[in-house]
Amino acid sequence: AQRVTQPEKLLSVFKGAPVELKCNYSYSGSPELFWYVQYSRQRLQLLLRHISRESIKGFTADLNKGETSFHLKKPFAQEEDSAMYYCALSVDNDMRFGAGTRLTVKP
Amino acid sequence: EADIYQTPRYLVIGTGKKITLECSQTMGHDKMYWYQQDPGMELHLIHYSYGVNSTEKGDLSSESTVSRIRTEHFPLTLESARPSHTSQYLCASRRGHGEKLFFGSGTQLSVL
Repeated sequence: AQRVTQPEKLLSVFKGAPVELKCNYSYSGSPELFWYVQYSRQRLQLLLRHISRESIKGFTADLNKGETSFHLKKPFAQEEDSAMYYCALSVDNDMRFGAGTRLTVKP
Repeated sequence: EADIYQTPRYLVIGTGKKITLECSQTMGHDKMYWYQQDPGMELHLIHYSYGVNSTEKGDLSSESTVSRIRTEHFPLTLESARPSHTSQYLCASRRGHGEKLFFGSGTQLSVL
């Protein structure tokens, strides 16, 4: 069965430091992977998806099929990046989410 | 405005009551989803729908039922609410496979 694993529930970095949020998936086919973000008191929203290969708010994510990973990275974290981040895997009509990582960026 | 709407925003009810959480979207999306989420925690898929008259159970059916009589409407019903149903319920929709999900604002349910 398809599964998404985010090993870190909490991650704390200082402003200006690099940040990497880890995501691993289990799926034998070609995955459709997404990162969603939930800022305080806001709706869950899409941050980026691997098929578009774009950079949003300075974040990027590369699909590594060999390691079945889709880690989210940003070279210089900002305080406004503090939020809950969810990795998600879309298979057919289904969308499965990881447990989420709460990122805190300290001043 | 094209959006996805959930009502009520907050609901406090007693054990044993029957409740329906409403979800409507005006984007013409075929695929709709219900997730259960405790604040800052994992999202659990409860139900999803491919289109009108099609519904499927997710990992966590939570003793709830759904219906999809119209494309835009995907209500979730709890026949007999229990304290263990206390949680946030998120409705989402998307156009198709590989497309992003649009989320509603959620319904925070408390069962006393």
